[in-house]
Amino acid sequence: DVPLLESGGGLVQPGGSLRLSCAASGFTFSSYAMAWVRQAPGRGLQWISSISNNADATSNADSVKGRFTISRDNSWNMLYLQMNSLRPEDSAMYYCVRRQTSRGGAFEIWGQGTMVTVSS
Amino acid sequence: EIVMTQSPATLSVSPGERATLSCWASQSLSGDLAWYQQKPGQAPRLLIYGASTRATGVPPRFSGGGSGTDFTLTISSLQSEDFAVYYCHQYHAWPITFGQGTRLEIK
Repeated sequence: DVPLLESGGGLVQPGGSLRLSCAASGFTFSSYAMAWVRQAPGRGLQWISSISNNADATSNADSVKGRFTISRDNSWNMLYLQMNSLRPEDSAMYYCVRRQTSRGGAFEIWGQGTMVTVSS
Repeated sequence: EIVMTQSPATLSVSPGERATLSCWASQSLSGDLAWYQQKPGQAPRLLIYGASTRATGVPPRFSGGGSGTDFTLTISSLQSEDFAVYYCHQYHAWPITFGQGTRLEIK
């Protein structure tokens, strides 16, 4: 069983939108904060967005504020990232990550990632 | 924003030898520092959290140290599977930030 499985990546034109999904399994999803981290090809890791276990707190990197929205559905064990107004510099592998506690901590479990390419 | 700086960018070490990777933070982290290992084509893997606690399943040859703003990851006797890129990460304050990575290569 894969604990975190991302989907929804693909090729999109600049200015377009995508919605990434992450299906969680094998643990009590509603007990953990979650996050999205991205990695452009050949580059380092960049934190994008975090959400607390019950969705009462979210935080976003400045580079995506006003364009990306993180959300979750604890009934369905799902994490989402709605990405609007996409730019070429948003092209990257996007990882779904489980944090250590309900509010934060280190990035304990990582999905395998879904690739997003923004290009005309 | 807390800036994380890793050194060196690339470290060449022979199998069986010790490797020490460094990470500096621009502000005190109160121990909220983690280390990750990433191999080509794979997602990162948590090695160390709380600056010095090994994550589940991490071999004891990996150890983390330091406090405040200066941290180290030491691999006591390098195995072939340890050659990878290593990232430090602060989760003490928003925005969460990572170091730029240290590539550990076979000498």
